[in-house]
Amino acid sequence: EPEVTQTPSHQVTQMGQEVILRCVPISNHLYFYWYRQILGQKVEFLVSFYNNEISEKSEIFDDQFSVERPDGSNFTLKIRSTKLEDSAMYFCASSERDRGEETQYFGPGTRLLVL
Amino acid sequence: GNSVTQMEGPVTLSEEAFLTINCTYTATGYPSLFWYVQYPGEGLQLLLKATKADDKGSNKGFEATYRKETTSFHLEKGSVQVSDSAVYFCALSDLNTGNQFYFGTGTSLTVIP
Repeated sequence: EPEVTQTPSHQVTQMGQEVILRCVPISNHLYFYWYRQILGQKVEFLVSFYNNEISEKSEIFDDQFSVERPDGSNFTLKIRSTKLEDSAMYFCASSERDRGEETQYFGPGTRLLVL
Repeated sequence: GNSVTQMEGPVTLSEEAFLTINCTYTATGYPSLFWYVQYPGEGLQLLLKATKADDKGSNKGFEATYRKETTSFHLEKGSVQVSDSAVYFCALSDLNTGNQFYFGTGTSLTVIP
């Protein structure tokens, strides 16, 4: 069964450093998403991406964040200058369509720790 | 706005016990409701969903009914197994407010033999 994959599974970085989190969505999906979960809190939406541009973003997704689909398979989330509060589990997801009842398929997550 | 409130965990049950994990929601439109499960080391996997009021989603012995009158989507299973140990997330999607999913905090379930 097709699945969303994410790398790395864990990343430790120093405050102020740039990190890139990578995702390979399911191959025939057109809509891509990033979410995060700070320990003990809800899974929060960051951004959705379609047709090579951002379609929605939350208040969390400020200028420190960017997303890119550099080739036909990868979807990346970049944090330019990490802060302590960026420590979280980051989930990538993809879906075939954007209808409300459409299932989003999630990857296993990247646990980011900012020191 | 949209939000999901989920039963706090962790929950520990003996094998073959009855499981209920409560989930209530607020929504501005007509949401679709989902339960996702996360097994250790894996991603969020869709467990079941319901797209309109009174729909019942079911999978692997789990069930949840979309109750508009009580704005609830409680997850139930009649007899849990050790292999059901995981974190369960309730979520909603409302196309009227975009593509994003709104999640609860997740409920950790441990089933002991």
